[in-house]
Amino acid sequence: EVQLVESGGGLVQPGASLKLSCVASGFTFSDYWMSWVRQTPGKTMEWIGDIKYDGSYTNYAPSLKNRFTISRDNAKSTLYLQMSNVRSEDTATYYCQLGFDYWGQGVMVTVSS
Amino acid sequence: DIRMTQSPASLSASLGETVNIECLASEDIYSDLAWYQQKPGKSPQLLIYNANSLQNGVPSRFSGSGSGTQYSLKINSLQSEDVATYFCQQYNNYPNTFGAGTKLELK
Repeated sequence: EVQLVESGGGLVQPGASLKLSCVASGFTFSDYWMSWVRQTPGKTMEWIGDIKYDGSYTNYAPSLKNRFTISRDNAKSTLYLQMSNVRSEDTATYYCQLGFDYWGQGVMVTVSS
Repeated sequence: DIRMTQSPASLSASLGETVNIECLASEDIYSDLAWYQQKPGKSPQLLIYNANSLQNGVPSRFSGSGSGTQYSLKINSLQSEDVATYFCQQYNNYPNTFGAGTKLELK
């Protein structure tokens, strides 16, 4: 059974950095592209970016490219999202995604002083 | 970026009714479109991919259609468990983009 479990969220101050993790199981992690998507409190969905199965290539939403970095550790079956210089508008639930049919349970990030 | 204009934003329908939700892309997305259902407090669930392919396990009352820039999700014979928010997502071009969502309620 495919499982994606995000962690690392919480309350963070504006301007700080935060790293989210997504531990994958139930499939061969190193064979698949993986994505991050976020959903604002107002329920707007935003695609953040994705990463090639070997970690050699990434795509990002242009508005986030300068502050967010996606990486992976295939040995640990873990996907990461490094967020820097966070802003209040980054407050959202962050999901990792495998293809279109598997989503994690989501992790909340709240940016507030 | 490709803009996905989803309508209506909210919808109230009766049990057994047929419901249609639409997504209009700002350019041709060549049927690279997915539809999701999201219930409160849950992650989105894939219903349809490639505009009209039903995901395994999804009831056949759900169907997708469309081409070019215009796409729709149809729910036949609305059931109480269909109360949810529905999103479309295009994946033809980076960045992938979502519609704003349609909140479906029972009348």
